[in-house]
Amino acid sequence: GQQVMQIPQYQHVQEGEDFTTYCNSSTTLSNIQWYKQRPGGHPVFLIQLVKSGEVKKQKRLTFQFGEAKKNSSLHITATQTTDVGTYFCAGRLSTGTASKLTFGTGTRLQVTL
Amino acid sequence: DGGITQSPKYLFRKEGQNVTLSCEQNLNHDAMYWYRQDPGQGLRLIYYSQIVNDFQKGDIAEGYSVSREKKESFPLTVTSAQKNPTAFYLCASSTRTGTDYGYTFGSGTRLTVV
Repeated sequence: GQQVMQIPQYQHVQEGEDFTTYCNSSTTLSNIQWYKQRPGGHPVFLIQLVKSGEVKKQKRLTFQFGEAKKNSSLHITATQTTDVGTYFCAGRLSTGTASKLTFGTGTRLQVTL
Repeated sequence: DGGITQSPKYLFRKEGQNVTLSCEQNLNHDAMYWYRQDPGQGLRLIYYSQIVNDFQKGDIAEGYSVSREKKESFPLTVTSAQKNPTAFYLCASSTRTGTDYGYTFGSGTRLTVV
């Protein structure tokens, strides 16, 4: 079945440093979504990428979708303590099973002062 | 406010007992989903439903059952056949395609079986 892997599993940075998490799918995706889950909370939708090579920005967050639509990345510039949490990518297959996302394994980000 | 409500927040049950987790949404979403999350792990799909009176098994459906008699409600029963039921259970909903605003998640139910 489809697998979506994320690296790293965990990253600890000092406030002000940059952070990047990478998402890789075993199959081509029709689109990819990113979610953030704060400690003790539930995942919250951040953004969706659809087009090959697409880049979207939300303030300090930059999201990219690979040219082959099999990988994606989330980059945070100058991390803040409010960025703490686990970031998940979630991909949808190109064909079949509409509305079903496959979530990645997640990257847990810890930010300290 | 529109949203998705899961209850209870914490649930304790004895081994061998069935337990039902509630999930209600007032977002007028067609599709609903149940995920399981174990500590430090990702989300694994248990069951999903794209329309009332229809649902499909996800990746880890064994030991679980669901019903979708109303658009707003998608309860999950954790049966005694589930070998390791202690986990954080998340319910989510979306439009049929789920491609516009992503999934909306409930706040989850932490189930502990002793």
